[in-house]
Amino acid sequence: DQQVKQNSPSLSVQEGRISILNCDYTNSMFDYFLWYKKYPAEGPTFLISISSIKDKNEDGRFTVFLNKSAKHLSLHIVPSQPGDSAVYFCAAINQGGSEKLVFGKGTKLTVNP
Amino acid sequence: DVKVTQSSRYLVKRTGEKVFLECVQDMDHENMFWYRQDPGLGLRLIYFSYDVKMKEKGDIPEGYSVSREKKERFSLILESASTNQTSMYLCASRSGLRVYGYTFGSGTRLTVV
Repeated sequence: DQQVKQNSPSLSVQEGRISILNCDYTNSMFDYFLWYKKYPAEGPTFLISISSIKDKNEDGRFTVFLNKSAKHLSLHIVPSQPGDSAVYFCAAINQGGSEKLVFGKGTKLTVNP
Repeated sequence: DVKVTQSSRYLVKRTGEKVFLECVQDMDHENMFWYRQDPGLGLRLIYFSYDVKMKEKGDIPEGYSVSREKKERFSLILESASTNQTSMYLCASRSGLRVYGYTFGSGTRLTVV
């Protein structure tokens, strides 16, 4: 039972364009969401997060949008750069419940020069 | 910055060997986690620990055990390595004080031959 789903295993965009990575969740108890970025042969690093009381959080080129009614969040990267090429993991947690993050399977983003 | 150090970046072991993967964190974090990452399967939780000498099974504990004798160290043990345990292993730690980002180590790429 996959509670956090990233339905696109891969995404390819041109440098300078927008990258949109999507994530869906099924557990309505999740109230905090995070995105991690992972380069090959390295551990994931935290990128950006959002609480369920918000619908948008922005940090430089990265913006996360949350649609609670649709149980959907997305990560926008504008403009995309070749250095953004990595695997992006969506994760969620129920702050009042389990201590564990639940991860999606990841989306591999390739930004072409 | 929190540092999570995994003792080996690459390991090659033979089938049937007992394998120890070590993880050390330097920020007095209560919670520590072991994941494995496989293509198309994302990050899967093997075991986690809330405190010294405490451990709980994650989603895929079969074939693994863990040890947490000191707060800073969390070891993953493959009792009898098998080829299907060839994977990238990632350790993470997190403060128990409701700070929801995990800090990951750089990973250990284990190959069982």
